[in-house]
Formats: sequence, C-alpha cells, structure tokens
Amino acid sequence: AQSVSQHNHHVILSEAASLELGCNYSYGGTVNLFWYVQYPGQHLQLLLKYFSGDPLVKGIMGFVDEFINSKFSFNLRKPSVQWSDTAEYFCAVPAPGGNMLTFGGGTRLMVKP
Amino acid sequence: SQTIHQWPATLVQPVGSPLSLECTVEGTSNPNLYWYRQAAGRGLQLLFYSVGIGQISSEVPQNLSASRPQDRQFILSSKKLLLSDSGFYLCAWTGAGDEQFFGPGTRLTVL
Repeated sequence: AQSVSQHNHHVILSEAASLELGCNYSYGGTVNLFWYVQYPGQHLQLLLKYFSGDPLVKGIMGFVDEFINSKFSFNLRKPSVQWSDTAEYFCAVPAPGGNMLTFGGGTRLMVKP
Repeated sequence: SQTIHQWPATLVQPVGSPLSLECTVEGTSNPNLYWYRQAAGRGLQLLFYSVGIGQISSEVPQNLSASRPQDRQFILSSKKLLLSDSGFYLCAWTGAGDEQFFGPGTRLTVL
C-alpha cells in the first residue's frame, strides 16, 4: 500500500520568507504527484501536479514543486510567501494500480503580516 | 464545465441519530466518486470510493455506509451516529486522469 507523509504539521513564517514543504511517499514506481491547497473557508483545490518529466514543475501563484526520485520525495517551494498563502497544504500520490489518491496528513501554514 | 455539489453544508446531529449526506456531480459521466473525512489535525481519510452505479469499496471499517443510486450521485449514510463521526466530509470525483476535484464539504457535528 502507498503511504504518504508530510514533514511538518504546522509552519509559521513571516511575509517574504521562503517556504519549503516536504512530502515523502513509499511506492517506488513512476507516479504522478499532486499538491492541493485549502484556503480558509474554501474548497480543497489543486495547486500543482507533476507528471513524469522535468523534475521541476511550476504551479500557480509562484509555487514550485521539485521531484526527487531517488528519495521518493517532492518538495513544495515558494521563494517569498505572502499573507494570502496562509492555508493548509496536502500532498497526494495515486495508490498503485488504482484510481485513488493517498494524501499526506497536511501542513498548516500561517504567514504573519 | 464540471461542478460538484454537497449538501447540507453544515449539520448538527445528536448521538444515535441517522445521517444522510449527498453529493452530486454535473457535467461529466461515469466519474469515480470518493468520500473523505477531514478531522482536525489528521489530514484526509478516504472512507469510500465508487467506480460505478452500485459499486462501493470501503477503505475504513466504521458505522458509515455509502451508496451510489445514480451515475452522478453518491450518498454517505449512518444508522446511528457516534461522537467520533464529527468532522468535515468531502466528496470528490475523477474523470480520465488521477486528478481529483473536491466539493465544498459538509461539516458534521455530533453532540
């Protein structure tokens, strides 16, 4: 079974600080990778997705995802966060052989103005 | 375009009462449908998924059940709610790819 873990449960940053959220998964095959974001009071929505290819993927709102195949991990980065990035972030990986996504436990990011 | 609806948006129920949460999808056919529960600090837990009418797979044993009476309708039910059933319930669908699209959710409080 696929397992997905996120390194930090809570992160607090000041505006303009750099962000890096880590995610590890257990399945070693070719995978598609997803980051979802849930802003306060809003739907869970897709932030960016990686399909095998360039290990660096640019998503919306300045977020970048880096895929590290040798370590079964992918990191969500943003060089300078804003107060509006306050949200909960989930990484997700498809379960092997199925149509299900396995989600990490989520990281709650708070950006102080 | 595709949209996904959930209702009710919020629900407060006493322990031991029944539950019925509804999810409907528009603008697509034969979607895979999912029910998740999001409990505070515990991420997203997959409860049920369905690949077609009447086809339900359960991921976690519990006192909840799911049904799919129509192609684009997915229902989460319980005969007797427990306190531990409180949480935020999300419905999601996928089409041809892996990407999942989520509904607005239902916040359930069991007292």
